[in-house]
Amino acid sequence: NAGVTQTPKFQVLKTGQSMTLQCAQDMNHEYMSWYRQDPGMGLRLIHYSVGAGITDQGEVPNGYNVSRSTTEDFPLRLLSAAPSQTSVYFCASREIFSGANVLTFGAGSRLTVL
Amino acid sequence: GNSVTQMEGPVTLSEEAFLTINCTYTATGYPSLFWYVQYPGEGLQLLLKATKADDKGSNKGFEATYRKETTSFHLEKGSVQVSDSAVYFCALHNTNAGKSTFGDGTTLTVKP
Repeated sequence: NAGVTQTPKFQVLKTGQSMTLQCAQDMNHEYMSWYRQDPGMGLRLIHYSVGAGITDQGEVPNGYNVSRSTTEDFPLRLLSAAPSQTSVYFCASREIFSGANVLTFGAGSRLTVL
Repeated sequence: GNSVTQMEGPVTLSEEAFLTINCTYTATGYPSLFWYVQYPGEGLQLLLKATKADDKGSNKGFEATYRKETTSFHLEKGSVQVSDSAVYFCALHNTNAGKSTFGDGTTLTVKP
């Protein structure tokens, strides 16, 4: 089925470890983004991209890196994990030029940093 | 900047009760407004949307009307079911900013 695929679904890290959350979409969407979901804080935008080779920061970018080498993939990298990065992470994508502005979300990746 | 304020939860209702979840927003220009729903263990999915003032979005018995004069987009359903138990997010998309802004989410539990 077409959509947004995130891996892994669950991950436990120790403080200081690094890892990459993978996100892939097969809808040819120009826009891709990463959100984190924390209790009582809703969804907060980490980074986003409007096309291959173009990325920008959202409201909570510190501690995270992204790159967009292809239209399909938008990985999120944690270089040195901290307990404050314990969260559920969602990747989302949408078309830009259709004007619909509806986001399609992945199923989420639950990260625990000890 | 843009912001979305949702009615705090959690909300617990009996089956067939009437549901209202309040949502107000602050934005420049003319944003599009959305309700997304998140079922347990899943990502968010679009429930309904409205793109201009006085538009009514509807889906699966849920409705919301874009009220520019009160900057609101309240979600309503006349008769909830147990299967409606989920987290509901109000969101806006501001074309100028190119980003979507979400409320904190409201957890709804419907008991049989």
